[in-house]
Amino acid sequence: LAKTTQPISMDSYEGQEVNITCSHNNIATNDYITWYQQFPSQGPRFIIQGYKTKVTNEVASLFIPADRKSSTLSLPRVSLSDTAVYYCLVVRRKAGSYQLTFGKGTKLSVIP
Amino acid sequence: EPEVTQTPSHQVTQMGQEVILRCVPISNHLYFYWYRQILGQKVEFLVSFYNNEISEKSEIFDDQFSVERPDGSNFTLKIRSTKLEDSAMYFCASSEVAGGDTQYFGPGTRLTVL
Repeated sequence: LAKTTQPISMDSYEGQEVNITCSHNNIATNDYITWYQQFPSQGPRFIIQGYKTKVTNEVASLFIPADRKSSTLSLPRVSLSDTAVYYCLVVRRKAGSYQLTFGKGTKLSVIP
Repeated sequence: EPEVTQTPSHQVTQMGQEVILRCVPISNHLYFYWYRQILGQKVEFLVSFYNNEISEKSEIFDDQFSVERPDGSNFTLKIRSTKLEDSAMYFCASSEVAGGDTQYFGPGTRLTVL
């Protein structure tokens, strides 16, 4: 699976929009980009998944350019409760592919 | 909203003892997983389970580990003879289908081996 690279940490003030970019240069045709969120001492929680262009749900937006070598998770108007680690994962949607491979993620700190 | 539950939330054991970690996946899900996260490190895949058999396992999942679905609701991870390095958070997850489908994680069991 394609290796992902994302910033180790980011700081943001409350109310700002936060964009976390992930690079995945070797992404394959069968691969989807998925983002998870993890609060301290909790299990990861699915945020959003996309293949290309833009996906939006009630929590976040995901922007994927045409070459799919990177993606950007956008969190609108963050609050203190958005302080967490955000993981960018490349997921292969095919039979026999089960495991999620987590990197170190981006630790987002939201400041009052 | 349905969720994955895990018990106990914290387990303390002596080195060499057997532990069983329990999970109740989301009821209509067919695929089950165990992951672990050593303090300050990445979440690591251990094993996936489907149709009453292991479908994939990592190098971490050696002979000391086993999984079982003893009834229609529980999914367990057994560590036969715990080592100090088994101390970690253990997360159970489940999904409706495989192949990269969304996995729903439980709150975790913190295992401390003394």
